[in-house]
Amino acid sequence: DSGVTQTPKHLITATGQRVTLRCSPRSGDLSVYWYQQSLDQGLQFLIQYYNGEERAKGNILERFSAQQFPDLHSELNLSSLELGDSALYFCASSVGSGIDTQYFGPGTRLTVL
Amino acid sequence: AQKITQTQPGMFVQEKEAVTLDCTYDTSDQSYGLFWYKQPSSGEMIFLIYQGSYDEQNATEGRYSLNFQKARKSANLVISASQLGDSAMYFCAMREGDNDYKLSFGAGTTVTVRA
Repeated sequence: DSGVTQTPKHLITATGQRVTLRCSPRSGDLSVYWYQQSLDQGLQFLIQYYNGEERAKGNILERFSAQQFPDLHSELNLSSLELGDSALYFCASSVGSGIDTQYFGPGTRLTVL
Repeated sequence: AQKITQTQPGMFVQEKEAVTLDCTYDTSDQSYGLFWYKQPSSGEMIFLIYQGSYDEQNATEGRYSLNFQKARKSANLVISASQLGDSAMYFCAMREGDNDYKLSFGAGTTVTVRA
């Protein structure tokens, strides 16, 4: 157990809908990262937050957004869902914002029908 | 261009034997970090080992060791005394520079340990 929690574990929804994925980092970690794992694109970095502020952005679609709250938990919002958004979404956390190891949560498996 | 290349899509290894998983990387930064993660069939990503670009010694963590060859830009993972529980997908990842915190992942290598 990495200490990173993600809810829900599974999510099934329809095209056009909006969902929110939640992540709680390890105790003491200030950075949260979101990654998407799909069969065709592999593991891709989406976005990073550090102590409530957006720090880095990767291949995140405009339909997706995220935030980190004062208690350091983070939410990834996915809207206008398409079939291609079906993937495993991981949250990872690290102590700081640089060379620290990122520890991953168990992931949320999103299925868009 | 691919930052991380894992050329072995799948490997079989006999229980108690060692296995080497290949990873080559591409970066122009002098400061970078290399990571290996394990993803069992249950889906979670488990951190195994880390090697910094300035580390002179190869990293080791229990049965895992990293064969770091900086000039060749390779960071191969060696799993010694394989166990059935080692059957999983293994990913090599890199963090580049001092200001870029994202991990770039390879395509992964599936390891199947045979009894």
